[in-house]
Amino acid sequence: GAGVSQSPSNKVTEKGKDVELRCDPISGHTALYWYRQSLGQGLEFLIYFQGNSAPDKSGLPSDRFSAERTGGSVSTLTIQRTQQEDSAVYLCASSPRWGVEGYTFGSGTRLTVV
Amino acid sequence: EDKVVQSPLSLVVHEGDTVTLNCSYEVTNFRSLLWYKQEKKAPTFLFMLTSSGIEKKSGRLSSILDKKELFSILNITATQTGDSAVYLCAVLIQGAQKLVFGQGTRLTINP
Repeated sequence: GAGVSQSPSNKVTEKGKDVELRCDPISGHTALYWYRQSLGQGLEFLIYFQGNSAPDKSGLPSDRFSAERTGGSVSTLTIQRTQQEDSAVYLCASSPRWGVEGYTFGSGTRLTVV
Repeated sequence: EDKVVQSPLSLVVHEGDTVTLNCSYEVTNFRSLLWYKQEKKAPTFLFMLTSSGIEKKSGRLSSILDKKELFSILNITATQTGDSAVYLCAVLIQGAQKLVFGQGTRLTINP
């Protein structure tokens, strides 16, 4: 596609429920990143996918968070048993290869846990 | 722990003023420093700086990196209301593929 597409744009969920956030990167981009931005904060790295290599999961805050990338394209970030502190904007970015040249962000998913 | 610190956190100026935003960093293995503008949700890329002392310029925006003192500045001259945004500084760590972001500077330009 023309840009990085994320869905849903907004999600309100009850504490304890599971949520899935979707990211559709720019066609042909092999690198895909997930970041989280809490209110008034900078972006916090969560996970990085590069082609068929094992993902870098070093930023995932707990084992309630997981992500996968199917067929080297679309990625899904799953948060199980959501907590109020999970409320944030979840941003996805993609780039043509490793590194940050052409690093393009999506518009994010605003997650609110009530 | 890798750290990026921006200052000020918030700045309000009048249209036409010149502003300077600051970014300092302490990281284990520096590769590049990047500036982004975030108006609503998606940050948009402004500059990537890798070498010290070389100014990057785009219209009224410019930026420079000092690798000895570990900081960068972003200048905006003749500010306009459309420059109102959060400006994010990030550092790319050599050998890792993630950006470490600062907290951002919220810039408000009043007419």
